Amino acid sequence: QKEVEQNSGPLSVPEGAIASLNCTYSDRGSQSFFWYRQYSGKSPELIMFIYSNGDKEDGRFTAQLNKASQYVSLLIRDSQPSDSATYLCAVMGRNKLVFGAGTILRVKS
Amino acid sequence: DGGITQSPKYLFRKEGQNVTLSCEQNLNHDAMYWYRQDPGQGLRLIYYSQIVNDFQKGDIAEGYSVSREKKESFPLTVTSAQKNPTAFYLCASSNGQEDIQYFGAGTRLSVL
Repeated sequence: QKEVEQNSGPLSVPEGAIASLNCTYSDRGSQSFFWYRQYSGKSPELIMFIYSNGDKEDGRFTAQLNKASQYVSLLIRDSQPSDSATYLCAVMGRNKLVFGAGTILRVKS
Repeated sequence: DGGITQSPKYLFRKEGQNVTLSCEQNLNHDAMYWYRQDPGQGLRLIYYSQIVNDFQKGDIAEGYSVSREKKESFPLTVTSAQKNPTAFYLCASSNGQEDIQYFGAGTRLSVL
């Protein structure tokens, strides 16, 4: 079992729709969770972090964490073509950040 | 401008050659990291350093070496022992609080 798992996609959504990206992790002791956005050929850019169970909202982005289910998700409301990118889920394990392979999101206008 | 600077942006390695990738930060962060990214894969940790003059191996350290003589600098050497060096190399730093890591623009290494 991979430490951090994401559906590779691509996830295609129409412009203006809600995109839902999911991530599961194996280490029950994990305390910190991150979502990075990576455009093709560029480096990852932090868009959200969450530490507590529940929802955290920042503009069009909402991160959701459920530690009991070992599940973290990212919702993007009013998706725009500029949101088309790979979204990396990262989980802080024992002294290191473990990344999923990423989900490709395509927003079609 | 505060940030993390990686150079060069593109690098080509000849057979049997060692090459060094530069990473400099002016964020006053204590911790620095090197990751490797292969197409369609997540980031894999090569080495990390939490304080000056100290560093630890990550998951894929074989064929790589690092130094941390200054807080601002964490260069990565890809040695000739690394048989498959073609990848996108990313340097990151963290202030140790909130576990947040910020990335440089990356260096793309190819083999001639």
